[in-house]
Amino acid sequence: ILNVEQSPQSLHVQEGDSTNFTCSFPSSNFYALHWYRWETAKSPEALFVMTLNGDEKKKGRISATLNTKEGYSYLYIKGSQPEDSATYLCAYRRGATNKLIFGTGTLLAVQP
Amino acid sequence: ETGVTQSPTHLIKTRGQQVTLRCSSQSGHNTVSWYQQALGQGPQFIFQYYREEENGRGNFPPRFSGLQFPNYSSELNVNALELDDSALYLCAHQPGADRTDTQYFGPGTRLTVL
Repeated sequence: ILNVEQSPQSLHVQEGDSTNFTCSFPSSNFYALHWYRWETAKSPEALFVMTLNGDEKKKGRISATLNTKEGYSYLYIKGSQPEDSATYLCAYRRGATNKLIFGTGTLLAVQP
Repeated sequence: ETGVTQSPTHLIKTRGQQVTLRCSSQSGHNTVSWYQQALGQGPQFIFQYYREEENGRGNFPPRFSGLQFPNYSSELNVNALELDDSALYLCAHQPGADRTDTQYFGPGTRLTVL
């Protein structure tokens, strides 16, 4: 993998469903993996910064895992709520640079 | 709220014109990055400024230039606008250089080139 890829591109779930998305990135020269939540017309909101293989981070109903050896991260949302509707972006930092390489995002729509 | 603001919110220009976009942060973060998000794509890195000096650049031509000021506000300038420059432009402030430091984004400026 040369770029950052996210799947699925979009997801429609019912309120209360749990869901997860995937972010794939180059496993070589890994430095950090960022997750952002972006609601329309607002600033992207930082969720997690992950750096170590096997990292697990949690923020309320949202959690994320990291596998740097195989180059993927999962984002989980437990018991989705309508306010979770947003685009979820992951971004990879390669080497000791401050440049973030973004995926195209997963658009989540939670139906009440 | 991230404390990062951008102006204007949106603007319309014609091909060949020049544009200046602005970014500021409530906190004195000395690193600022600019990104371009075209329709259907993720944000693409344009360049970064650290203590008023350019500190890394993406695959953008020289007509994309920037400035960072002593108060850590910054500008993105684009000369000779082209239709493909139509996009959302995001700036991001970073408090430090640690690998765990996040980048705090503004809401973006929507540029339309006609």
